[in-house]
Amino acid sequence: AQTVTQSQPEMSVQEAETVTLSCTYDTSENNYYLFWYKQPPSRQMILVIRQEAYKQQNATENRFSVNFQKAAKSFSLKISDSQLGDTAMYFCAFMNTGNQFYFGTGTSLTVIP
Amino acid sequence: EAGVAQSPRYKIIEKRQSVAFWCNPISGHATLYWYQQILGQGPKLLIQFQNNGVVDDSQLPKDRFSAERLKGVDSTLKIQPAKLEDSAVYLCASSPRREAFNEQFFGPGTRLTVL
Repeated sequence: AQTVTQSQPEMSVQEAETVTLSCTYDTSENNYYLFWYKQPPSRQMILVIRQEAYKQQNATENRFSVNFQKAAKSFSLKISDSQLGDTAMYFCAFMNTGNQFYFGTGTSLTVIP
Repeated sequence: EAGVAQSPRYKIIEKRQSVAFWCNPISGHATLYWYQQILGQGPKLLIQFQNNGVVDDSQLPKDRFSAERLKGVDSTLKIQPAKLEDSAVYLCASSPRREAFNEQFFGPGTRLTVL
């Protein structure tokens, strides 16, 4: 079974600074998909960014980018120019080719004004 | 476009009682998921539907949990009888197709407290 590990339960960052959230996963598959989801307090979970394992180029979405290291099975999220609205739980997720979905335990990010 | 709707938003029951949750996915979305999110943990997939058929229910405790998706649209998740450890937020999500790499759209969740 696949596992997703987020080793940072809580993190904080000053507004306008950059923060990196870590995620590692374990799989024996070669093709799979990785996601970062954001869950703001008392609000719905939304997709932040996604990466296909067969693509070497790291995905970027405005202020959000990933560092995908396939050999190391690492998928970190970098948030640049942090904003107060970035305060949320961030979940790393893995989907295999059988469409089975696994989430990590989450990192609680607080942006400090 | 309306999002994923779930009801009720909150439910408090005593152990051994029964409870049911309802989900209405985004119109036209073929795939529907039910997740259990225990406090402090990430969501755990309980069951996945493709239209009205079950694709994956390997993590569904079938002795007490059941789910159905009649006509491939709305879905209900039932717990009978509930245990204390069932206290969690139950999330419903939908996506347009069952293909990999599709974004899942989540509902607001139902927070269940079992006393």
